[in-house]
Amino acid sequence: NAGVMQNPRHLVRRRGQEARLRCSPMKGHSHVYWYRQLPEEGLKFMVYLQKENIIDESGMPKERFSAEFPKEGPSILRIQQVVRGDSAAYFCASSPTVFTGGTDTQYFGPGTRLTVL
Amino acid sequence: AQTVTQSQPEMSVQEAETVTLSCTYDTSESDYYLFWYKQPPSRQMILVIRQEAYKQQNATENRFSVNFQKAAKSFSLKISDSQLGDAAMYFCAYRSAGNQFYFGTGTSLTVIP
Repeated sequence: NAGVMQNPRHLVRRRGQEARLRCSPMKGHSHVYWYRQLPEEGLKFMVYLQKENIIDESGMPKERFSAEFPKEGPSILRIQQVVRGDSAAYFCASSPTVFTGGTDTQYFGPGTRLTVL
Repeated sequence: AQTVTQSQPEMSVQEAETVTLSCTYDTSESDYYLFWYKQPPSRQMILVIRQEAYKQQNATENRFSVNFQKAAKSFSLKISDSQLGDAAMYFCAYRSAGNQFYFGTGTSLTVIP
């Protein structure tokens, strides 16, 4: 069972361009989470998605950022008109279906390091 | 909102010795889960150990164990027989009933040969 896949691993964009980050969850996982990690800081929650639904986007900036998890294909985190402050590592995690009272652990991908020039 | 606090930005330990990393959290929930993740220089996040709040028994995973004090809202990680490969950032995390995860700011562990 392959782990969580993220691509690209490194992405370089110039200011004003768009960045698209992809995440393929582990097989059988229907929950996807995106986190941002700035240098020397911990992970900050951005958005939580299930297939075709955004469950919680309270950590995602209202402007320029969007996320989707279509019925088919990977989850996409999209950043429009990138600025230097968007430079960070973006981690995706997935978890299996939540059962009431059951354990639910997140499994992380290797991350995408976005550099904005 | 839940908060997770790691008060030790950096720790060091001699190889083969034992080290304890601290974590406290704030919550009004009674049912939740706690985790320790390791992030080596490769930046990948690796699950180290997890604890269900309803279980009184402390979780153990080989050389890694936790000291879970629910009343004190404390969840420390003990690493025994430290190895060079244990050097990494360690993040404490809380999973709420709403399935959102909250992470601490991390503790950087150095293992001294």
